[in-house]
Amino acid sequence: SQQGEEDPQALSIQEGENATMNCSYKTSINNLQWYRQNSGRGLVHLILIRSNEREKHSGRLRVTLDTSKKSSSLLITASRAADTASYFCATVAILTGGGNKLTFGTGTQLKVEL
Amino acid sequence: KAGVTQTPRYLIKTRGQQVTLSCSPISGHRSVSWYQQTPGQGLQFLFEYFSETQRNKGNFPGRFSGRQFSNSRSEMNVSTLELGDSALYLCASSLGDREGHEQYFGPGTRLTVT
Repeated sequence: SQQGEEDPQALSIQEGENATMNCSYKTSINNLQWYRQNSGRGLVHLILIRSNEREKHSGRLRVTLDTSKKSSSLLITASRAADTASYFCATVAILTGGGNKLTFGTGTQLKVEL
Repeated sequence: KAGVTQTPRYLIKTRGQQVTLSCSPISGHRSVSWYQQTPGQGLQFLFEYFSETQRNKGNFPGRFSGRQFSNSRSEMNVSTLELGDSALYLCASSLGDREGHEQYFGPGTRLTVT
C-alpha cells in the first residue's frame, strides 16, 4: 500500500515559473526522498531530507519537511521544459532489521510548457 | 560507475507462465530492492535483498520471489502469471546500511501478460 498522497495530481505551468508539490505520509520516518520519473522509465533520485531536518536545497530544488504534520513539499524554481516528468515522494521507515524499503506517494505529473 | 542494469527491457508472456527478471546493481552496492509499478496501484515495494538474504518483504503473494547472488546481482521470479502482473518492474540498488540511503533505479522491465 502507498504511504500517502501527493498534491496536486497534475500541474501545468509555463517555463520560468515555480512548481510546488506536496506530499503527506502516515507513519514515523527515518527520511523522506523525492524522485523524478520520465515517461514510465526508471526513477532518478533528486534529494533526501532526514527526519531531523526542516529544509534542504539542491540547485533549483528546495524541500521542506514538517514531521509534526507528516508532510513535505518540493519546490522547483525557474522551471524548464526538461523538468516535465512525474515526481514522487518516498518515505523510509525505521525498520528493526535495517534496510531500504521505500514507500511511495501517488505522484505529481508536472508539465512545463514553453 | 555503470548504472543499474535490468534485463530484459520488455517481455510478453502468457497467463500461467513464469518469468525471471534480472538486475545488476551499481558496483559496491549490496542492497537490491524490487518495485512494481502499475497505473492502478502505483509504485509498490516487492522485496529487498542484502548480502544474499531477503531483508524486507512487501505484501505480494508467494508467486513473487527473488534471490541475490554473491556478486549482488539479483533475480526476481513470478510464477503462474496473471493478467494483473502486467507492470513495469523496477530494481534499485543502494549501499544498504541502516541510514536509508538514496536508491539508484534501473530503467525497468516492462512485462505484459496476455
